[in-house]
Amino acid sequence: AQKITQTQPGMFVQEKEAVTLDCTYDTSDPSYGLFWYKQPSSGEMIFLIYQGSYDQQNATEGRYSLNFQKARKSANLVISASQLGDSAMYFCAILIRDSSYKLIFGSGTRLLVRP
Amino acid sequence: GAVVSQHPSWVICKSGTSVKIECRSLDFQATTMFWYRQFPKQSLMLMATSNEGSKATYEQGVEKDKFLINHASLTLSTLTVTSAHPEDSSFYICSARDGAKNNSPLHFGNGTRLTVT
Repeated sequence: AQKITQTQPGMFVQEKEAVTLDCTYDTSDPSYGLFWYKQPSSGEMIFLIYQGSYDQQNATEGRYSLNFQKARKSANLVISASQLGDSAMYFCAILIRDSSYKLIFGSGTRLLVRP
Repeated sequence: GAVVSQHPSWVICKSGTSVKIECRSLDFQATTMFWYRQFPKQSLMLMATSNEGSKATYEQGVEKDKFLINHASLTLSTLTVTSAHPEDSSFYICSARDGAKNNSPLHFGNGTRLTVT
């Protein structure tokens, strides 16, 4: 069975500082994708960054980077230069192929950026 | 960028009635659509996966006769909550995958907040 774990229910960070949100996963599938989504209080899911299991380099998208450690099965999200608007829920998710493709979410981390 | 439209954004209905939620991919063909349910302060739980032209695949514990899913075209999937009860009150959100692009991110609708009175 596939599993994805986010061990930090809540995090604080000072504005303009960097923060790392943890994510570990467990899958026997050799081919998978890892995603991070942001969910503000309004509820919409905003795609942030993607890492494929065969990608050699860590993914980066602007202020977001993914610290992918395949052997440790971790895919931590690093947000640099935090902004007040970064306050939201952050979900790590794994895309696996079962009978069809499925995106399974972790429990989420609530990030609060302090001014 | 790819857009998924979900309608309605919120609905209040009486216990025992049925509610239909639509999910449309606006600028791509969605061979697969996913329906999630999210209770307050919890994560998104996958309810079912719908593939165009075939029956939906439901996750364990999800009643397929209660949550009817139809994916009749490559751009539209619907979720019907039948004989709704107060415990069905939740945030329902759909997502769609662009079948033409490998490893593309799932694009999400803005969700539907259902309240059953």
